[in-house]
Amino acid sequence: QSVLTQPPSKSGTPGQRVTISCSGSSSNIGSNSVNWFQQLPGTAPKLLIYTNNQRPSGVPDRFSGSKSGTSASLAISGLQSEDEADYYCAAWDDSLDAYVFGAGSKVTV
Amino acid sequence: QIQLLQSGSEVKNSGGSVKVSCKASGYTFIGYYLHWVRQAPGQGLEWVAWINPNTADTKFAQKFEGRLTLTRDTSTTTVYMDLISLKSDDTAMYFCARGSRMNDLAFDLWGRGTLVTVSS
Repeated sequence: QSVLTQPPSKSGTPGQRVTISCSGSSSNIGSNSVNWFQQLPGTAPKLLIYTNNQRPSGVPDRFSGSKSGTSASLAISGLQSEDEADYYCAAWDDSLDAYVFGAGSKVTV
Repeated sequence: QIQLLQSGSEVKNSGGSVKVSCKASGYTFIGYYLHWVRQAPGQGLEWVAWINPNTADTKFAQKFEGRLTLTRDTSTTTVYMDLISLKSDDTAMYFCARGSRMNDLAFDLWGRGTLVTVSS
């Protein structure tokens, strides 16, 4: 059971906006930055958002991240079929002294 | 070409050990942390450990303390993960991933993964 809580699944139709939440605590999200990864079926994960809200070069601006207190969220606007994937939030946990991932959210378009 | 090239799949017996390699190319090897992340079949991602290729400093998730060794060879720009006392729940895809310049925990380059299967 992960210390970062994500909804198991989210769905939307093409063009819609989908938001994935990531709830943590003061020892992880509350005191450290959050990164988001996208994993397409059968492939290695890919960095989507780093340091709460920064997009790496090449990531479409349809993807955005935010953080407030002990929670973070990933928003996908203008949902496309190629966005069908698993999405993971991650943050360092000071109590566990480890990098922790959420259990992942499967997005279906 | 910037990439992380991992060694091939392994099948090991319970109680045995496995050594997985990750060869970095196309960038300054000692400039970036390298992490290991694993994913059991049908499950989520689990951080395993990191190594600083410059200093060889390492850090492990607590559950792997005593069973895991990370080493690096700067001459071949390769990092090795050595896991002993294998158990069936060590069966997973093991990924190596590079920490980015902006954030050591933002993994901006990933290997394709090495499937380790532990049979009892």
